[in-house]
Amino acid sequence: QSALTQPASVSGSPGQSITISCTGTSTDVGGFHYVSWYQQHPGKAPQLMIYEVNYRPSGVSNRFSASKSGNTASLTISGLQAEDEADYYCSSYTSGSTRYVFGTGTKVTVL
Amino acid sequence: QVQLVESGGGVVQPGRSLRLSCAASGFTFSTYAMYWVRQAPGKGLEWVSAISYDGGNKYYADSVKGRFTISRDNSKNTLYLQMNNLRVEDTAVYYCARDRHPMTMIGPGDVWGQGTTVTVSS
Repeated sequence: QSALTQPASVSGSPGQSITISCTGTSTDVGGFHYVSWYQQHPGKAPQLMIYEVNYRPSGVSNRFSASKSGNTASLTISGLQAEDEADYYCSSYTSGSTRYVFGTGTKVTVL
Repeated sequence: QVQLVESGGGVVQPGRSLRLSCAASGFTFSTYAMYWVRQAPGKGLEWVSAISYDGGNKYYADSVKGRFTISRDNSKNTLYLQMNNLRVEDTAVYYCARDRHPMTMIGPGDVWGQGTTVTVSS
């Protein structure tokens, strides 16, 4: 099972919106409604930001939104803030024997 | 509060074994699927293994299949990862995580431990 493909880095200025893509196949992202997004600050554990494609856990800012089209999922951060600077990972349930896969990760930089 | 605490990490030589533990508290452990996820130094997240709430279903990444064994003791609210025949490439921070919903098995959710470090080196 190959990792889902994400851009290595995305940057934006404070207040801007950025979008991170997560591309898989019909056996993972495209085949199931179980795509999640995680934020990870250096030295910290990942934090769930989005689950089941577009649901936000309680406590997560509504500046974070997500969607899916075909084999590609996307995370959008609106009104970019300095605290959003972190690594972001997508993940998906898969039909393969390994069952789960993470994305390659995207480093978000706030300029 | 809802919490996961990993332990058991350390420095070990290639070919040796190590057992990680993940102690759960603040929720009904026996109703949640659990996961191990690792992160090698400077690298991304890698899913390692998963176990259903009752222990009846287990899954492994190809990179650890045949060497690692996931298990759980619901009476002790504890998740385990037995790691045998360790390789240098197994060096990583190992996190345990809980599923988002009880009685499902759809992926690591909103509760993660702080991680325990495993270093495999001669």
